[in-house]
Parts: sequence; structure tokens; C-alpha cells
Amino acid sequence: DAKTTQPTSMDCAEGRAANLPCNHSTISGNEYVYWYRQIHSQGPQYIIHGLKNNETNEMASLIITEDRKSSTLILPHATLRDTAVYYCIVGPRTGGFKTIFGAGTRLFVKA
Amino acid sequence: NAGVTQTPKFRVLKTGQSMTLLCAQDMNHEYMYWYRQDPGMGLRLIHYSVGEGTTAKGEVPDGYNVSRLKKQNFLLGLESAAPSQTSVYFCASTTTEKGAYGYTFGSGTRLTVV
Repeated sequence: DAKTTQPTSMDCAEGRAANLPCNHSTISGNEYVYWYRQIHSQGPQYIIHGLKNNETNEMASLIITEDRKSSTLILPHATLRDTAVYYCIVGPRTGGFKTIFGAGTRLFVKA
Repeated sequence: NAGVTQTPKFRVLKTGQSMTLLCAQDMNHEYMYWYRQDPGMGLRLIHYSVGEGTTAKGEVPDGYNVSRLKKQNFLLGLESAAPSQTSVYFCASTTTEKGAYGYTFGSGTRLTVV
């Protein structure tokens, strides 16, 4: 499965949009882009996923570039509770043993 | 619907002791995984299972054994605990069922080996 590259950390002001980038230049045609977040040491929580098209749900929006080599997770109105580590991973629809969870991006939302 | 449940949530072991971590899922998922997470790092795959009665090694399998005797349970064993196995352990599951996407994780087991 493809590996992803994310910034180590980012800051965001409360109430503003948080835009978290992810590079996945080696993604293959049948691999999805997934975003998870981990608050403190809880288990990672699914946020959103996409294949080719941009996606939106109640938590976030996912923007995937046309060549699928990068994506951006958007939290439209960040709150203090959104402070967490955000993981961008790529892999098949059903998950898999080759999916790599890197160190993610530590997002700090500040009042 | 409980999802993925891990027991225990915390444990302290002495070097050389053994223990078993239990992961149970009630979603009828075929695939189950054990990961470990060390401070400031991502998740590393220890072992995984693609179905009842089957297991396979992941990225960091040494010092661990697993069993999947029932579809809903995936056990992780430490035969002789070492301080290097101090970590947070996460269990996860996935399914090939149509319309399902991604992993469901448990809340973790924090293990300290002294």
C-alpha cells in the first residue's frame, strides 16, 4: 500500500478552518484516501474517506487533487475539541495488513 | 452495538510474566488486527487475521503470539514480557461487506512492563 507524507504539526485558531495536507504520490488506482484522528491515547476514529471525488460529511470535507497524488482534510470551524493527531492513510476499501499508519499531523486548536 | 472492545484497559507486568490481551468485535468483521503504538509514533502492525482460525505476522511480530479461535475474538499473547513491550496496544477490525469502509478501532490497552 502507498505511504503518505504529512506535516508533523499545525496550529489553528478556534472557529477558523483547519486545512490538513497529505501527499500520497504513489497511490494506486484502487486505493482510497482515509482520514482518522486520535484524541489523547484513545483509539483512532474514522473521519472521512474518498476515492476520486471530493467528499463532505458532518465532520469534515476531503479534497482530492485530480491526479490523486495529494489531498486536504478540511475542518470548517475548528474547536478546541478538534485538537488531536490526524492520520492520512491510503489503502483498499476493506482495509488491509499493508496499510501504513505514520506519525500523522498533530493539530493544535488555540482559543 | 459495542464495536471493538479491548480488555484489560491497563496492566502492569513484571519482566518475564505472561499475559493475554483480548479483543472482541460484534460487527461480524472478517479481518482483525493488533497494533502497538509507542510515544509520538504511528501504529505498527503486530499480527493480523483474515478469518477464523487464520493468523499472520505483521511488521513487528517478535515476542507476541495470537489466536483467532472464534470469528469475534482475537487474542494477543505475551509469553515472556520485556520492558521493550511497554506500549499502547490497539485492536482493529475491517470487513469486505459491501458499503463498509475503513477500520474500527478499540479504545486501547496500556501495558507497562517493569
